Amino acid sequence: SQQGEEDPQALSIQEGENATMNCSYKTSINNLQWYRQNSGRGLVHLILIRSNEREKHSGRLRVTLDTSKKSSSLLITASRAADTASYFCATDAVSGGSNYKLTFGKGTLLTVNP
Amino acid sequence: DTGVSQDPRHKITKRGQNVTFRCDPISEHNRLYWYRQTLGQGPEFLTYFQNEAQLEKSRLLSDRFSAERPKGSFSTLEIQRTEQGDSAMYLCASSLHRLTHDTEAFFGQGTRLTVV
Repeated sequence: SQQGEEDPQALSIQEGENATMNCSYKTSINNLQWYRQNSGRGLVHLILIRSNEREKHSGRLRVTLDTSKKSSSLLITASRAADTASYFCATDAVSGGSNYKLTFGKGTLLTVNP
Repeated sequence: DTGVSQDPRHKITKRGQNVTFRCDPISEHNRLYWYRQTLGQGPEFLTYFQNEAQLEKSRLLSDRFSAERPKGSFSTLEIQRTEQGDSAMYLCASSLHRLTHDTEAFFGQGTRLTVV
């Protein structure tokens, strides 16, 4: 089963606009990670935010984490056509006993129109 | 190249045949994950290793699937008696897990399996 769920499932914006994607999860986490995947290719790691962090920046990316609401958001500012891809959140969460595993949501398909 | 590498990149096999995929993680990483991804879906967890120990197997991993990581280095994923439903992208990832903190997982380019 999927631990995280991204919202929206699809997002279409114009170049230069900001894009916001949300992720909700169900159990306590160690950290939450965002990945990008271009069509038919491997996943590229974007940013990791730990459970004791609330906000993190990397270039045009801004990630927030609200552990009380079990949710995270990814903001891409000043989007470019090259940002067109699927974006996934992944939670590193306890999975029975004391083992952690990285579990993905179904992703948000972002289309940036030139 | 010091990233995660997977071999082969593509595999076409006839139903009923066995296939084996290989993953070479980043050398200092102690965790290794296998995922399966079908079109339009996120990666689904199959199994993961901490060093050579297989810590968890998903219920998706039927008895036809087996994974190994001898000596905590490379890993293999074998599918026996393949079925058309096994057609998917198989992704491998590795990360460094420490008691104090974790690092991000790095993914290989995947092995695309087509069962005909």
